[in-house]
Amino acid sequence: QVQLQESGPGLVKPSGTLSLTCAVSGGSISSRNWWAWVRQPPGKGLEWIGEIYHSGSINYNPSLKSRVTISVDKSKNQFSLKVNSVTAADTAVYYCASSSMDVWGQGTTVTVSS
Amino acid sequence: DVVMTQSPLSLPVTLGQPASISCRSSQSLVHSDGNTYLYWFQQRPGQSPRRPIYKVSNRDSGVPDRFSGSGSGTDFTLKISRVEAEDVGVYYCMQGTHWLYTFGQGTKLEIK
Repeated sequence: QVQLQESGPGLVKPSGTLSLTCAVSGGSISSRNWWAWVRQPPGKGLEWIGEIYHSGSINYNPSLKSRVTISVDKSKNQFSLKVNSVTAADTAVYYCASSSMDVWGQGTTVTVSS
Repeated sequence: DVVMTQSPLSLPVTLGQPASISCRSSQSLVHSDGNTYLYWFQQRPGQSPRRPIYKVSNRDSGVPDRFSGSGSGTDFTLKISRVEAEDVGVYYCMQGTHWLYTFGQGTKLEIK
């Protein structure tokens, strides 16, 4: 059974870069067609950030596209998220998930604050 | 973007009674491959979302059979035949047919 685990700094300064990694265990990252990042601001609903196919194709949320980069490292069996020029509005729980959304990580809280 | 509209947003239910959540999309969710990529997620307090239903009506492994999904096109429903205490949480529908994939606002199910 595939499991996912997010990791990264819990606090990022405004205008800085948020960097998160999602480690895939219990299976190969190539076993699924695509992988996703979703976030949830405090007390709010779920928002798609983007998805990456193991072919390399990527889809980004247009509202975040200019600031977001998603990548895959097959050698480490993980995929990553970077969000540049963060503001308080980027404060959220960030989840990684598998294609078809049947497996989710536990989520990691990122706070943007000085 | 496809707008997903859930109702009700708050759902108080007595233990053992049925519950029903509606989800409507602003356009048809039938994909060109013939599938309808409509999912339901349950998010218990303090937990990650969990997927009990995929492609409208398919129950995930280990999900109690009191959960069922139905619908087609733009109208979908999640039903719980007899609510139990462990069903408390927020339920989201999500469409995976048209990029940007989108979620409904969420329906908070609580015990009355």
